[in-house]
This record gives sequence, structure tokens and C-alpha cells, in this order.
Amino acid sequence: DQQVKQNSPSLSVQEGRISILNCDYTNSMFDYFLWYKKYPAEGPTFLISISSIKDKNEDGRFTVFLNKSAKHLSLHIVPSQPGDSAVYFCAPHLIQGAQKLVFGQGTRLTINP
Amino acid sequence: NAGVTQTPKFQVLKTGQSMTLQCAQDMNHNSMYWYRQDPGMGLRLIYYSASEGTTDKGEVPNGYNVSRLNKREFSLRLESAAPSQTSVYFCASSDAGTQAGKLFFGSGTQLSVL
Repeated sequence: DQQVKQNSPSLSVQEGRISILNCDYTNSMFDYFLWYKKYPAEGPTFLISISSIKDKNEDGRFTVFLNKSAKHLSLHIVPSQPGDSAVYFCAPHLIQGAQKLVFGQGTRLTINP
Repeated sequence: NAGVTQTPKFQVLKTGQSMTLQCAQDMNHNSMYWYRQDPGMGLRLIYYSASEGTTDKGEVPNGYNVSRLNKREFSLRLESAAPSQTSVYFCASSDAGTQAGKLFFGSGTQLSVL
């Protein structure tokens, strides 16, 4: 039972353009939605999050949009830079006795010069 | 500022061998977690410890045991390794009092079971 799906395993974008990464979920109990970024041979690092009571959160070049009715969120990166090349994980947050994150499968983003 | 430290970084085991993955954090976090990452599967929660003295099963606990030794340290033990446990293992910690879901991860342990 996959509660979180990132349907694009990979995405290639030209430097300077917009990158859009998508995530779909099924559990309406998620209260926060987080994005993590992962470089090879490193652990994931927190990138940006959004509360379930909001529909948009912006932090510099990164914006996350949440559509609760569609159970869909997206991460926009603009302009995309070569250093953004990494794997991005969507990770909704749930409190079931303790805090838990449910990770999507990840999308490998490649920014081409 | 070390953050979350995992040892070892790499390990090769034969089927049936045992080993313990070590994890320590220096951020005074209450909660600690063990995840595994497999290709195409994202990160899956093995065990977690909401606070010192407590541990609970996650999504994929079979074949593993954990020990929350103190507030800083959370170890993961494989009693009898199997090829299906070949994976990259990540330890993480979080402070429940701050931003929900913001975990700090170690750099991972790449484990191969032959």
C-alpha cells in the first residue's frame, strides 16, 4: 500500500529553466509535507515543507504547492542550477504515537548546463 | 558540528553473520530513527525511538533489533544477515519540539550480504 507516489523516477531540465517535481498521496491524515534532497553518498537533507492548512510555501528559488482536494503536491525550482542535481524525496508527516515520515520513491533531477 | 554519525560506512557480510550498526547524535534530540533505502523504494522506516527508553517497530522491522543505549545513541542489529538485507541504512534524529518532520540524517551505511 503505497501512501506516497512520485511517478517520475527521473527529470532532466536545462539550467535556468523551471524544474517541477510532483508527488501524490492517499492518506488524508498527513499534517505536514516535506521535501528532502539527497546527493550521492550522503544522507537526505531537509529542503522545504508546507503545512496542510496552507497551499503554498516559498523559500528563495524553491516553492512548494499543496492541493489537498487532489492529494497532490509539487516542488518548483526556479531558476534551476547545476547544484540542484540530486534525488528529491517527497515525505509527508504523520503522528501515529510518534512522529513519522512516509517517503516517496524519489525523483532524480538532472540540470543540464 | 558532527550532527548524526553512523559507523561503519561500508560492510560486507556473509549470509547468517551478525553485526551492529552504530549511530550517535550530538544535537540533544529526543527521537531517533533507522531507515533503509532500496532502489525504487524510497526510504522505509525500520525502527524508531520516540524518546530515551522507548523503541517501536516501523514499516519493515523483520530481521532487525534496536537498542536505544542512551539519549545520544541508537544501534541497529542484524542477528542473522540475509541477502534481502542488502541496502543502504540511514540513521536520523529529530527534535519533536521544533519543525514537524524535520529529520537530520547520517551519511549512511552501505551493507552487502552475500
